Amino acid sequence: KAGVTQTPRYLIKTRGQQVTLSCSPISGHRSVSWYQQTPGQGLQFLFEYFSETQRNKGNFPGRFSGRQFSNSRSEMNVSTLELGDSALYLCASRVRANLKEGNEKLFFGSGTQLSVL
Amino acid sequence: GESVGLHLPTLSVQEGDNSIINCAYSNSASDYFIWYKQESGKGPQFIIDIRSNMDKRQGQRVTVLLNKTVKHLSLQIAATQPGDSAVYFCAEGGDRSGGKLQFGAGTQVVVTP
Repeated sequence: KAGVTQTPRYLIKTRGQQVTLSCSPISGHRSVSWYQQTPGQGLQFLFEYFSETQRNKGNFPGRFSGRQFSNSRSEMNVSTLELGDSALYLCASRVRANLKEGNEKLFFGSGTQLSVL
Repeated sequence: GESVGLHLPTLSVQEGDNSIINCAYSNSASDYFIWYKQESGKGPQFIIDIRSNMDKRQGQRVTVLLNKTVKHLSLQIAATQPGDSAVYFCAEGGDRSGGKLQFGAGTQVVVTP
């Protein structure tokens, strides 16, 4: 079974630009979560999608948005990039967006390393 | 200039010894806990999980202990190997928080020969 796939692996952008990151979950997983990882803040939750609906949201500004498609693939978008948005963006999938037995294990992709210059 | 970042606690372990990584969690309503291992340049990798109705769970070379009284979680790695060198994260979650996982800052484990 293929794992969580994120593209691209590396991205370099300049301030003010926007960026779209892509994530394909593990086959059969319908929930996709996004996390931002930085040396200063660690792993921070951005949002979670299930059945094309946002189910949970973290404390990030509206410049960060996401969506999920009917095949469970997800994209996240960051508009008007700032230097502080430089981070590793991790996507994770699980069966469903709850902690019921069998649904809860979250599996991560390798991430997209975004550098904002 | 100097960058400011999270100061990860570091655990230095000799190859072959047992490792114990500790984690204090904050939410008494959390009922699900999970440990991840993250190697340089990779995403977090699932190690083991435990629910709040258990206090111990064993996997291959790993054991997770949960003490709900003091809100403490630990991961024990038996016979630590060089490949165990990584950052280890604990995470907590609960249905009341919609299943969202809250991650700890992480512990850097360094295995010395």
